[in-house]
Amino acid sequence: RKEVEQDPGPFNVPEGATVAFNCTYSNSASQSFFWYRQDCRKEPKLLMSVYSSGNEDGRFTAQLNRASQYISLLIRDSKLSDSATYLCVVNRHTGNQFYFGTGTSLTVIP
Amino acid sequence: GAGVSQSPSNKVTEKGKDVELRCDPISGHTALYWYRQSLGQGLEFLIYFQGNSAPDKSGLPSDRFSAERTGGSVSTLTIQRTQQEDSAVYLCASSAVEGRRPQHFGDGTRLSIL
Repeated sequence: RKEVEQDPGPFNVPEGATVAFNCTYSNSASQSFFWYRQDCRKEPKLLMSVYSSGNEDGRFTAQLNRASQYISLLIRDSKLSDSATYLCVVNRHTGNQFYFGTGTSLTVIP
Repeated sequence: GAGVSQSPSNKVTEKGKDVELRCDPISGHTALYWYRQSLGQGLEFLIYFQGNSAPDKSGLPSDRFSAERTGGSVSTLTIQRTQQEDSAVYLCASSAVEGRRPQHFGDGTRLSIL
């Protein structure tokens, strides 16, 4: 079983829509969680860390459910510039190894 | 401050040649990672350095691949006798272990084997 699993999509949504991505992780020892975005032919860039109590950064909200071992990302009022691949990442502090999902593709349509 | 720096940005070489890719991590970051990404695919872990500990080489696909990190800073990834399937973007990332901080990536080296 993969460490991190994501629905690859693609998600095609109109501008202004709200879209949510989920990600599940297999190892309950995972301790840190992140969402990255990756634009076509670019490197991944940190979007936000995910905290146990959930956190918000502008139009983006991240939540963690440790009991069910999943992480979510909610994007409100989608912009054309949100079109990218969103990567779910978990870190197991023992060994400090990062595990990446394969990414969820989002296209925001005018 | 400066981010993760990788060089060269692009490398085109003939099959069978050796290539060396360089990564300069963010100053003070003790953890350094190499990944590769083929077109349209996810990140594939290659190797991880942490301080003076022995590196985690579990992701290296063959003995043609090796990496070193001198002085706990700059790292080089070497691919010997390159094959066409080695064509990919090679990404380096670093992180500060303290507080389990996220990784920060360089721009990558786009390697093309002819």
